[in-house]
Amino acid sequence: ETGVTQSPTHLIKTRGQQVTLRCSSQSGHNTVSWYQQALGQGPQFIFQYYREEENGRGNFPPRFSGLQFPNYSSELNVNALELDDSALYLCASSAPSGATDTQYFGPGTRLTVL
Amino acid sequence: SQKIEQNSEALNIQEGKTATLTCNYTNYSPAYLQWYRQDPGRGPVFLLLIRENEKEKRKERLKVTFDTTLKQSLFHITASQPADSATYLCALEGASGYSTLTFGKGTMLLVSP
Repeated sequence: ETGVTQSPTHLIKTRGQQVTLRCSSQSGHNTVSWYQQALGQGPQFIFQYYREEENGRGNFPPRFSGLQFPNYSSELNVNALELDDSALYLCASSAPSGATDTQYFGPGTRLTVL
Repeated sequence: SQKIEQNSEALNIQEGKTATLTCNYTNYSPAYLQWYRQDPGRGPVFLLLIRENEKEKRKERLKVTFDTTLKQSLFHITASQPADSATYLCALEGASGYSTLTFGKGTMLLVSP
């Protein structure tokens, strides 16, 4: 177990709705990254937060937004849900040490959009 | 555009044999390459990291090679066990100033007793 937790584990929404996913990072980690993993695909980078600021973003539209809190936990918000947003959403925490950072993934939130 | 390719077909091997998984990439100059294991419905778990100036890295039964000329990494599991059955993901990280990973689709490994 990595110490990264995510909630909820499963979620079902309908098209057009909004969703908020939550992540608690591993103790001592100040960086959180979010990934989307569609069935049969590898995880795709959505964005990263470092010390409460967005620190990089992948090729996702603005309706994907996030927050990081002073305790380094994080939220991923998705507005105007589309069917293609159905996926496993993964949160990963890391503690930047200058060179490279091993990322510790949570178990994910399975989102189904109907 | 950047592309990472891993064997799309599942790899079936017998217990005790060596499994070899391949990761090829194009239009990318990664500073680091990482391998992760993912079990169904779970998040990826970090296994090994290799830097661009390293040719080989070992950890217990695992070995990774990295050839920046061929743009290829090979991941070996020796003396494979049924518990090694999982999907293995290759991930590249650039020297962009922040650590984000670009993943391949993964290769499923099935080790039969």
